[in-house]
Amino acid sequence: GAVVSQHPSRVICKSGTSVKIECRSLDFQATTMFWYRQFPKKSLMLMATSNEGSKATYEQGVEKDKFLINHASLTLSTLTVTSAHPEDSSFYICSARSLGGNYGYTFGSGTRLTVV
Amino acid sequence: GDSVTQMEGPVTLSEEAFLTINCTYTATGYPSLFWYVQYPGEGLQLLLKATKADDKGSNKGFEATYRKETTSFHLEKGSVQVSDSAVYFCASHISNFGNEKLTFGTGTRLTIIP
Repeated sequence: GAVVSQHPSRVICKSGTSVKIECRSLDFQATTMFWYRQFPKKSLMLMATSNEGSKATYEQGVEKDKFLINHASLTLSTLTVTSAHPEDSSFYICSARSLGGNYGYTFGSGTRLTVV
Repeated sequence: GDSVTQMEGPVTLSEEAFLTINCTYTATGYPSLFWYVQYPGEGLQLLLKATKADDKGSNKGFEATYRKETTSFHLEKGSVQVSDSAVYFCASHISNFGNEKLTFGTGTRLTIIP
C-alpha cells in the first residue's frame, strides 16, 4: 500500500535556528502534499497545500515566510520552520495524495518539534 | 464553511463494551467522509470511509454509515478491545473546481480498560 515517510520523527532545536522536515512518498507519486500542525488535545490544522513544481497555498493565518514549503519532485516535500521560537513547538504531520485514481490521503508518522 | 463536529472525549470503556463516537458535518456540497485513527506518537491511519449517502464504511470491526438526512457519520464497534485505545478523528473531504480540502473534527480519545 501507499507509504509516506516523514523525517525526523523528533527534533529539538534552539530558538532562532531553522529546522527542515521531509515528507517522502515511497511507492507512489504524490501530486499534492499537505502539511498539518497538531496542537495538544486538538485537531489537525491544515497549514498549506503544495503541488509539485508550484508554490504552496497557505491557509489563512499561516506565515509563509516562517513556514517554507518546497515540493520539488513528485515524491518529496519539505517544510522548513525558520527562526524557530518556543511557540512553534508542535506536532507536524504531512499527507500525500496520489496521482489520479481513488482518494488516497496517506499520512506520515509526524514530527515532534521542540524549540528550546 | 465546511466543518466537522465530533463527540468530545475522553471516552473510557471496558473491554467488550459497545462503542459509539458521534460525528456530524456541514458542507456546501457532497463530501466524502472518513474516520482516521491515531495511535500514540504516530500519524493518522485511515480506518474507514464512505463516499456517498447510505454508504457504509467498515474495517477491523468498526462501522460508520453516511447519513445525508442527519448529516452524520457515527463510528460504532460492537465489542472493543484494549488495542483500540487511540484518538479517532472524523473528517470530510470536498473537492470544488480543483480545490480540495480535508476537514477534521477535534478528535476523540478512546481508552479501553481490561
